[in-house]
Amino acid sequence: EAGVTQFPSHSVIEKGQTVTLRCDPISGHDNLYWYRRVMGKEIKFLLHFVKESKQDESGMPNNRFLAERTGGTYSTLKVQPAELEDSGVYFCASSLGGVANTEAFFGQGTRLTVV
Amino acid sequence: RKEVEQDPGPFNVPEGATVAFNCTYSNSASQSFFWYRQDCRKEPKLLMSVYSSGNEDGRFTAQLNRASQYISLLIRDSKLSDSATYLCVVNKASGTYKYIFGTGTRLKVLA
Repeated sequence: EAGVTQFPSHSVIEKGQTVTLRCDPISGHDNLYWYRRVMGKEIKFLLHFVKESKQDESGMPNNRFLAERTGGTYSTLKVQPAELEDSGVYFCASSLGGVANTEAFFGQGTRLTVV
Repeated sequence: RKEVEQDPGPFNVPEGATVAFNCTYSNSASQSFFWYRQDCRKEPKLLMSVYSSGNEDGRFTAQLNRASQYISLLIRDSKLSDSATYLCVVNKASGTYKYIFGTGTRLKVLA
């Protein structure tokens, strides 16, 4: 069975450009999460989808970040316009019935570098 | 103060040693607790969930002390392959399912 897949694995863009990250969760997982790790810091929660609905987006840093999950399958995270401080590793995770006492499976991440 | 605190290490131990990591969390209403393992430039992978009664999986033992708000992980008979970063993860109170991560503790097992 395929795990959580993320695309691209790496992205280098210039400040002011737009980047779209994609996440394909494990088939059948209604819950999808985005997390981010910036250099030297801990992994931080960005938002949580249940199917196509945003359950919790309290971790989104600002309105330059837009996440979507149309149809409740794959998700995209768009950063527009990108700033230098957006550099980091963006992880997507999915789980069956919520994270509580249910393993969240992580994708390998997208390493974003804004120059 | 961070919500989940861990000693970043690194812990350098010889093969066969026993090593223990601790983690403290600030939200007393936290509900679920986990140890994840992360290899260099890889994704976090669940090592084990942590329960109040304590749980053991082979060489790994996890404990939760709710009164003191700390979680521990004990690794016995360390192997070279145990070298990784160990992430303490706490699930916040009900109504949300977001994980709160510690910064991780680096372990290096030496031959």
